[in-house]
Amino acid sequence: DTGVSQDPRHKITKRGQNVTFRCDPISEHNRLYWYRQTLGQGPEFLTYFQNEAQLEKSRLLSDRFSAERPKGSFSTLEIQRTEQGDSAMYLCASSSTGTKFPYEQYFGPGTRLTVT
Amino acid sequence: AQKVTQAQTEISVVEKEDVTLDCVYETRDTTYYLFWYKQPPSGELVFLIRRNSFDEQNEISGRYSWNFQKSTSSFNFTITASQVVDSAVYFCALSEALGGSEKLVFGKGTKLTVNP
Repeated sequence: DTGVSQDPRHKITKRGQNVTFRCDPISEHNRLYWYRQTLGQGPEFLTYFQNEAQLEKSRLLSDRFSAERPKGSFSTLEIQRTEQGDSAMYLCASSSTGTKFPYEQYFGPGTRLTVT
Repeated sequence: AQKVTQAQTEISVVEKEDVTLDCVYETRDTTYYLFWYKQPPSGELVFLIRRNSFDEQNEISGRYSWNFQKSTSSFNFTITASQVVDSAVYFCALSEALGGSEKLVFGKGTKLTVNP
């Protein structure tokens, strides 16, 4: 049983460039979450999907951020016109509504973004 | 609004010492869930425990134990006979049951260093 995977693990980009991250959840997990973690802080919720539907977005998710989960499997998180403040670890987690509530979230290794 | 406070930023102990990590939470809900996660240097968040608001029974798992006290809104985590492998950042998190997303609200974490 493979866990949550994220790609790439590290990304260095210049300010103003667009970046896209991918998350592959545990197979059969219908819920997928994105969190952002900055240095010395705990993860902060960005958005979540149940199957292909994006059901909640945090106010942290500005217009430059967009997330998709087109077939209810993998998800992508795109940041347009990156800013230095976007530098962070982007974590993906998945869970299954088939288990006992609350649905335990399994986290991936994260994508560390550095904007120069 | 939900909030999780981990007042201890960093703790350093010598191997075999017992150590307690504090967690205080705020929520308006009567039904909620509390979690502890471990984040080793590799970065991946590892689930340790989940506790619901109706169950104040303390729990022990090997060298780990958790003390949940609703009266003081605290959910403290104790490691007995600490080992070097316990060195990590530990996060306490809260999830409200009625929000729909079960998103996790994390504290800022406590960095534990266990020295040989």
